[in-house]
Amino acid sequence: DVKVTQSSRYLVKRTGEKVFLECVQDMDHENMFWYRQDPGLGLRLIYFSYDVKMKEKGDIPEGYSVSREKKERFSLILESASTNQTSMYLCASSLWAAAGGRETDTQYFGPGTRLTVL
Amino acid sequence: AQKITQTQPGMFVQEKEAVTLDCTYDTSDPSYGLFWYKQPSSGEMIFLIYQGSYDQQNATEGRYSLNFQKARKSANLVISASQLGDSAMYFCAMRAGGGNKLTFGTGTQLKVEL
Repeated sequence: DVKVTQSSRYLVKRTGEKVFLECVQDMDHENMFWYRQDPGLGLRLIYFSYDVKMKEKGDIPEGYSVSREKKERFSLILESASTNQTSMYLCASSLWAAAGGRETDTQYFGPGTRLTVL
Repeated sequence: AQKITQTQPGMFVQEKEAVTLDCTYDTSDPSYGLFWYKQPSSGEMIFLIYQGSYDQQNATEGRYSLNFQKARKSANLVISASQLGDSAMYFCAMRAGGGNKLTFGTGTQLKVEL
C-alpha cells in the first residue's frame, strides 16, 4: 500500500513566521504535489515536482516555495506566513509516465495538515 | 484549460438506497483520466475509482461505479446500497493536457441517513 505521511495534523503559527510542512512517501514515486483546500474552492495546486531538485509552479504558488532534496520527501515552505494562508494543506504522490493510465495518473494523499495563522 | 464542475454542494440519501453524484468536465485533450475521491471528516483523500478516456466500459469498484458519458462530458459517480460510513465529501478530478496534474471540482457533501 502507498503511504504518504505529513509531519503535523494541526499547526498554529503567527503572522510573519517561517513555516515548514513536510511530506514523505514510501513508494518510490517520482511525482509529488502540494495542494491547499478551502471550503467552496476544492483543491488547488500550489507546487509539484517530477524529480529530485525539480519543481514547477501550480495554480497558486504566490507566498510559497518548495524543496525536494530527496525523492521521498517534498517540503512546502511559507516564507512569511499570513492569515490568508490559514487552510488545509494536502500532499500527494504518484508515479510518472509520459502516457496516462490508472497506475500512473492516480495520486495518493497524505492525511493533511490544518494550518492556522494567527 | 481543464475544468471540473460539481453542481451539487450537498446531497442526502437514505441508508441502503443508491445515489448519483454529478460531475461534468471540460478539456480539449483527447486523452484524459477521470477520478473520484472521498474525503471523510478526518481529512484524508481516499481514491475510489478511475476512468480513462479511451476505456470502453464504465469503471466499477465494489459499490462504486462511474457513469461515463463521453459525448456529454459527464462522469457521474454512483454509489449503490449507501452506508452510514459513506457520509463524506466527494471530489471529482481530471488529469488532462499532459503531465500528471489533477484538476479538482469543488466537491459534493453526501450525508447518509437512517
